[in-house]
Amino acid sequence: EVQLLESGGGLVQPGGSLRLSCAASGFSSSTYAICWVRQAPGKGLEWLSKISGGTKYYADFVKGRITVSRDDSKNMVYLHINSLRADDTAVYYCAKVKGTAFPLKGLDVWGQGTTVTVSS
Amino acid sequence: DIQMTQSPSTLSATVGDRVTITCRASQSISRWLAWYQQKPGEAPKFLIYEASSLEGGVPSRFSGSGSGTEFTLTISSLQPDDFATYYCLQYQDAPWAFGQGTKVEIK
Repeated sequence: EVQLLESGGGLVQPGGSLRLSCAASGFSSSTYAICWVRQAPGKGLEWLSKISGGTKYYADFVKGRITVSRDDSKNMVYLHINSLRADDTAVYYCAKVKGTAFPLKGLDVWGQGTTVTVSS
Repeated sequence: DIQMTQSPSTLSATVGDRVTITCRASQSISRWLAWYQQKPGEAPKFLIYEASSLEGGVPSRFSGSGSGTEFTLTISSLQPDDFATYYCLQYQDAPWAFGQGTKVEIK
């Protein structure tokens, strides 16, 4: 079964940093692009980042504060977030891109999310 | 960057109603649009890709249409399990972007 499992969330002080992990199973994370999406409490979905092979993409509103990376030997994808602020408080999801070549088909498999709370 | 605007923000309906949600892109995205359903405390569920292709296992009462800048998600006969929030996602160009969501609530 194709699955994603996020971890690494928790309570962080403002200004701190965090590394979120996304463990892929049932497929090779090196074959598919993976995105990170977040959802603040009571708010909508926000696309943050995509890693496709060695190419990385970021949303403008977090560019410079987040870095996405992958370890194909471990079937893992990571999201590092710096200079955390209260408005970064959210559930962070990783999701697999459907398809491996053009045309891609959106995000078909999602993890259950990991919660990040930024507070002193 | 491409911006996505959904309407309405909230929709009140009863079981059996035909429901339509609209998503507009700030520039043409061809057919590179997906739709998701999300219930409280759950991850989004993938419904439709390429504007109108139904993901496997999704009930046929869900359908999508549109191209360019205007898209619609239609639920032909609303069922109790369909009360949820729906999001569109453009994936033509990075940065990808979601619409702000449409909550379908019980009238």
